[in-house]
Amino acid sequence: QKEVEQDPGPLSVPEGAIVSLNCTYSNSAFQYFMWYRQYSRKGPELLMYTYSSGNKEDGRFTAQVDKSSKYISLFIRDSQPSDSATYLCAMSVWDSNYQLIWGAGTKLIIKP
Amino acid sequence: SQTIHQWPATLVQPVGSPLSLECTVEGTSNPNLYWYRQAAGRGLQLLFYSVGIGQISSEVPQNLSASRPQDRQFILSSKKLLLSDSGFYLCAWSAITYKSSYNEQFFGPGTRLTVL
Repeated sequence: QKEVEQDPGPLSVPEGAIVSLNCTYSNSAFQYFMWYRQYSRKGPELLMYTYSSGNKEDGRFTAQVDKSSKYISLFIRDSQPSDSATYLCAMSVWDSNYQLIWGAGTKLIIKP
Repeated sequence: SQTIHQWPATLVQPVGSPLSLECTVEGTSNPNLYWYRQAAGRGLQLLFYSVGIGQISSEVPQNLSASRPQDRQFILSSKKLLLSDSGFYLCAWSAITYKSSYNEQFFGPGTRLTVL
């Protein structure tokens, strides 16, 4: 079993829809949770991060962590064609300055 | 501001040939440096990381090696490439932080390597 599971998709939705992207994990020691966005043939860029449980909102994006279920989500409201990309979740434990454990990434397609 | 460079952007090499990929970071000192490989549908695989000049840790046994000859330079090498070495290679850096901070990594543009 992988430490972090993420459905690779592709997930195709119409413009303006609410998108839900998810990751599950098995290591209860994870404390930091990150979402990276990667456009085709580019390096990933950090979109949002959260520490421990709860929600964090930034514009159209909301990151949610449920540590009891070992489940994290990224919600995108009013999705735009420019949101089309691969979204990767990543996690690390409290005392790790080096190790991010990555999901496989979900390819998202927003249809105009 | 900090920038990270990688070259070449694309590379096609025959099996058995050597490899050298270079990564440089500007605008920061003493960064942590990372080499990742990304295969389609498999996420990022950490290959090497470095916390200082000459300090390299390997995460996955393979025919690749890494070196850090200068503070902001990280090199990925191979003496003889295999078909399985094909992939998208990403270099990343992060600031050295204390344990109570998250570890944001900043990625370069990547090198797409095809071994034929």
